[in-house]
Amino acid sequence: GDSVTQMEGPVTLSEEAFLTINCTYTATGYPSLFWYVQYPGEGLQLLLKATKADDKGSNKGFEATYRKETTSFHLEKGSVQVSDSAVYFCARSGGGADGLTFGKGTHLIIQP
Amino acid sequence: DSGVTQTPKHLITATGQRVTLRCSPRSGDLSVYWYQQSLDQGLQFLIQYYNGEERAKGNILERFSAQQFPDLHSELNLSSLELGDSALYFCASTPGRSSYNEQFFGPGTRLTVL
Repeated sequence: GDSVTQMEGPVTLSEEAFLTINCTYTATGYPSLFWYVQYPGEGLQLLLKATKADDKGSNKGFEATYRKETTSFHLEKGSVQVSDSAVYFCARSGGGADGLTFGKGTHLIIQP
Repeated sequence: DSGVTQTPKHLITATGQRVTLRCSPRSGDLSVYWYQQSLDQGLQFLIQYYNGEERAKGNILERFSAQQFPDLHSELNLSSLELGDSALYFCASTPGRSSYNEQFFGPGTRLTVL
């Protein structure tokens, strides 16, 4: 079935460092791709999305590009802040009626 | 605030019992999805309802069932509970029937089975 693979971490960085969280997905169909963020004790919030190949999603300084040739959707940010500390989930749509398929989540810790 | 509400926030119960989790979608959203988040399995899609009808099933156990009512709120029923059912249960809603679009998640219900 469909799957999403992402680095699990924890990933620990210093404030203002460059961030990359890798995500790859199975290539069945034409999925939409998402990054969701979960802060402690809260639900998931959409960070960004891309609906077709070569689309770039961006929000709050985060970016990810839908790469069909490498089946990847890596999350990047040029300069992280302490407030970015959270768990980040990469997800793909199931196509049609199915729910989202999530990666295992990457715990990001930003130190001042 | 996503506009999706879930009750209760926390639930503690014993093995063998039955519980009901409730979700109210955003105003105007017709689809409700249920997900389970556990340490070993991660986030898994359980079931989707669209405008009162079951639309898709994921990794939902036979002991679990759901329904969506005419006012579009949804309930997830978990019966014959086991220790392994302890998890966070999220619902999410979208306006349409497809998962290609953004889903808006509620704050979750944390279920602890003792």
